[in-house]
Amino acid sequence: EDKVVQSPLSLVVHEGDTVTLNCSYEVTNFRSLLWYKQEKKAPTFLFMLTSSGIEKKSGRLSSILDKKELSSILNITATQTGDSAIYLCAVLGADGLTFGKGTHLIIQP
Amino acid sequence: EAGVAQSPRYKIIEKRQSVAFWCNPISGHATLYWYQQILGQGPKLLIQFQNNGVVDDSQLPKDRFSAERLKGVDSTLKIQPAKLEDSAVYLCASSGAGIEGTDTQYFGPGTRLTVL
Repeated sequence: EDKVVQSPLSLVVHEGDTVTLNCSYEVTNFRSLLWYKQEKKAPTFLFMLTSSGIEKKSGRLSSILDKKELSSILNITATQTGDSAIYLCAVLGADGLTFGKGTHLIIQP
Repeated sequence: EAGVAQSPRYKIIEKRQSVAFWCNPISGHATLYWYQQILGQGPKLLIQFQNNGVVDDSQLPKDRFSAERLKGVDSTLKIQPAKLEDSAVYLCASSGAGIEGTDTQYFGPGTRLTVL
């Protein structure tokens, strides 16, 4: 059974701080790893990482895939209150898409 | 590009009643997914369609849940009869040949179901 574990489960930081969210996985036939941001609605897509694309960056967000360590990190620099959300990591493998439980990030002004 | 549409957005029913949710995927997306997300957990896949055929329904409680995608576009998910533990957000997602490739799933706004 495919498994995705995210840490920490929750995180409270001050505006302007830099945060690193972690995702580790055990999947059969890894195809890709996806990061989503979920506010009070459905998850919105952030990044997809594959064997051929192990690093992605968009503005203050960046993500790296470490296929050797079977993990990924999501970095957010110069955090803003609008970054407060649940960040979901999902991995596509033989069992389809498996989600972690998410990291609940709270940015305090 | 229009996103995934779902309705209704909210539904409150009593246990043992029936409920149906509707999803319209992004135009051209062949794959459609229904997820159940219970508060505090990540989404759990209920069923995956490829066009109008079922690819994976291994986690669908088939004694009470059913889903169809008759013409390979819209889909409905039904619960009959509902139980208290069915209270959750039901998410629909679709994937297809976007610039990120066919693996990227785009989610609808979800239907928040409360069973009393």
